[in-house]
Amino acid sequence: QVQLQESGPGLVKPSQTLSLTCTVSGGSIRSGEYYWSWIRQPPGKGLEWIGYMFYTGSIHYNPSLKSRVSISVDTSKNQFSLKLDSVTAADTAVYYCARVYNYAYRYFDSWGQGTLVTVSS
Amino acid sequence: EIVLTQSPGTLSLSPGERATLSCRASQSVSSSSLAWYQQKPGQAPRLLIYGASSRATGFPDRFSGGGSGTDFTLTISRLEPEDSAVYYCQQYDSAPITFGQGTRLEIK
Repeated sequence: QVQLQESGPGLVKPSQTLSLTCTVSGGSIRSGEYYWSWIRQPPGKGLEWIGYMFYTGSIHYNPSLKSRVSISVDTSKNQFSLKLDSVTAADTAVYYCARVYNYAYRYFDSWGQGTLVTVSS
Repeated sequence: EIVLTQSPGTLSLSPGERATLSCRASQSVSSSSLAWYQQKPGQAPRLLIYGASSRATGFPDRFSGGGSGTDFTLTISRLEPEDSAVYYCQQYDSAPITFGQGTRLEIK
């Protein structure tokens, strides 16, 4: 049973870069046809897809965030990461990493527990 | 971008009753590329339904999904107290992936 765990700073200052890592255990990030994704949820609000990637480096971003976001993978550590530049208070959210079943069926079948990132000075 | 509108915003029902949650898309979602998630307070969302009607592992057959095109429904029969949660729909037919705003289900 695959498990995902987010890690990173819980507090980021405005205009700085938010950086998070997702560690995958119980399975290889290179296995199957899985894509790996980031999703966020502002407090008390709904879910927003940020982007997803395949371990070979194929990456797709939400156009609403594309100019500020980058997702990368470290297969040697079975991890993938998120960077979000120039953050503002609007980027305060619980950030989830999740597994995408495959490219044709892009639903999220496993999720991390989420990590709250607050943007504040 | 496909906008998903869920209704009602909140649903309050008693144990044993039947809940019907709606998810309407701004344009047709082909190949039934729609999923539903259950999210309980303080927890991550959990995949409930995929392909509009296929139930994910671990959920009883009280949960069922249906619909096609622009109108989809999640039905929960014989409600139990543990069904209290927020339910989200998600489309994966076209980029970007989008979610509905959620329906809060309260069990009285």
